[in-house]
Formats: sequence, structure tokens, C-alpha cells
Amino acid sequence: LAKTTQPISMDSYEGQEVNITCSHNNIATNDYITWYQQFPSQGPRFIIQGYKTKVTNEVASLFIPADRKSSTLSLPRVSLSDTAVYYCLVGSSGTYKYIFGTGTRLKVLA
Amino acid sequence: GAVVSQHPSWVICKSGTSVKIECRSLDFQATTMFWYRQFPKQSLMLMATSNEGSKATYEQGVEKDKFLINHASLTLSTLTVTSAHPEDSSFYICSARSDRGEETQYFGPGTRLLVL
Repeated sequence: LAKTTQPISMDSYEGQEVNITCSHNNIATNDYITWYQQFPSQGPRFIIQGYKTKVTNEVASLFIPADRKSSTLSLPRVSLSDTAVYYCLVGSSGTYKYIFGTGTRLKVLA
Repeated sequence: GAVVSQHPSWVICKSGTSVKIECRSLDFQATTMFWYRQFPKQSLMLMATSNEGSKATYEQGVEKDKFLINHASLTLSTLTVTSAHPEDSSFYICSARSDRGEETQYFGPGTRLLVL
């Protein structure tokens, strides 16, 4: 089974840009890459989704290289409220095989 | 938009009893819903894919007779944990994919199950 790995934890200061990577070497052709934020005892909250190249929305950017074996979530200016666990999810409705990454615990310091 | 609810938010039950968890898409139709399980400090693991009007597809290692899934309408899927045991204690989270052709899954708030 394909593994989707992320760094276990990261620390950052308020106002800094944070980049979190996800490695998904066995990504399938039809798979999308989606990033979620999760607070304790809550369901994951959608951040951004992409298939290739770069996607940007009002809260984040997602960078996907040409080989799609990894992806990077970029949070432009983090605040204390961004302290959470961030997950990448790889999969598609074509196969219904969805694999969550191992999760990255981001701690934002004042 | 894209709101998913779950009920109950938490449940405590005795070993051997059955527990039903509901998952509803509130403002969109979802032919496909998913059920995940998350143990403390761990990532989410897909348990099964639920399609309206058909049998659910279970992931390897998930007992279909223990985790009964019913997807009777385009906005409701239920997960019943039958004969629950303490090792079934976990955080159960559902998600729904909109019928508008999107690939995005929208997640419910989760249900904390504690089996005594």
C-alpha cells in the first residue's frame, strides 16, 4: 500500500511563511492532492486541492512538481490560530483509494 | 456551503451493545460518502466507501459484519458498530463528496466512541 509521509512536527513564529511537504511516491495518474487542517477532537477542514503545478486560494498555496511525487502546502503568514495538525490526502473518485498522510503538527509561537 | 454533520458527537456504551452514527450532508447531495477512523495521535484511516443505494466497499482489514453501513438517501449515511468492544473506542469521522463532480471530500465533525 502506498505510503504518504509528512514531517512529524514543525514550529514557526507568527507572521512567518510555513511550508509543509508531503511525499507520495506512488501517486496514481488520476489522484488529486488535498490538504486539510485538523484541530483536536474535530473533523478535518478543507484547505486546498490540486492536481498539478500551482494552486492558490485565499488562505494557502499548493505547489506540485511535474512528477507529482510530492506536494508542498504553503501558509503565507501564520498566526497562533493556525496551530493544528495538517494532513495531505491523496486519491480520486476513479479508484476510491484515499490515503491520508501521516500528519504534521504545526505549532505557531508568539 | 458543503456542510456535513454527524450525530451523536460522542457516545459511551457498554461492551456488547450496538451504536449507530449518522452522517448527513446538509446543503448538497452526496452519492458517495466515506467513513474514517482515527486513533489518538494518529492519522485518519479509511474504513469504507458508501454509495447511495448499493453496498458499501470496505477496506482491507475492516470487518463488514461489525461495521454496518447504510446509505439510504443522497444526504444520509449511517455506520453501526455492532457488538462494540473496548478496542472499537475511537474517533469516527465521515466525509461526503458532492455530486457536482468535485473531487473534494468535506468532513463531518466526528463522533467520539468510548466502549466500556
